[in-house]
Amino acid sequence: IAGITQAPTSQILAAGRRMTLRCTQDMRHNAMYWYRQDLGLGLRLIHYSNTAGTTGKGEVPDGYSVSRANTDDFPLTLASAVPSQTSVYFCASSDHRDGGYSPLHFGNGTRLTVT
Amino acid sequence: GQNIDQPTEMTATEGAIVQINCTYQTSGFNGLFWYQQHAGEAPTFLSYNVLDGLEEKGRFSSFLSRSKGYSYLLLKELQMKDSASYLCAAMDSNYQLIWGAGTKLIIKP
Repeated sequence: IAGITQAPTSQILAAGRRMTLRCTQDMRHNAMYWYRQDLGLGLRLIHYSNTAGTTGKGEVPDGYSVSRANTDDFPLTLASAVPSQTSVYFCASSDHRDGGYSPLHFGNGTRLTVT
Repeated sequence: GQNIDQPTEMTATEGAIVQINCTYQTSGFNGLFWYQQHAGEAPTFLSYNVLDGLEEKGRFSSFLSRSKGYSYLLLKELQMKDSASYLCAAMDSNYQLIWGAGTKLIIKP
């Protein structure tokens, strides 16, 4: 079934540890995104990539890094986790074209707790 | 600044109609999206409006007024499975989405 796969589903992480959240899509979408979702707040964009080989910063990029070596994979790395990074992380993709719309397709999320 | 406002929570009765409102302020505008998110799950796309007016899709309809910066999602013949959060998102001039915090809809029998 075509879609977006995120791993792990959930994780408890000690503060200061490094963690990579994985995201893979098989829809050949050119654009991919990482969001975090916190209670009472809207989805906030961390980083995005409009095409393989390029990345950009979103609204809340500090403490996170991404890479886009190919079309399908878009990992998110927390270099040194802090408790404020406790959140649900969603990866999404779209067939982005300037001048037109394309809805986002979301993965099932990674629930991360930093202790 | 850019902002999306929608009610935090609404309650409705099974079989009834409910309207979820959303107001937005963005730098430029390239459309308004509605997503549905069941608890513990990913958001899923419901509708997109870029022109003024009503778009109907089965039991769900979405309305947009660009001059008022206003949209609503109308759900008819409510079913228990419609209990979910409904997320409003506006696309700005850079094609970035600005998200509301979501409206939690509770359906009572």
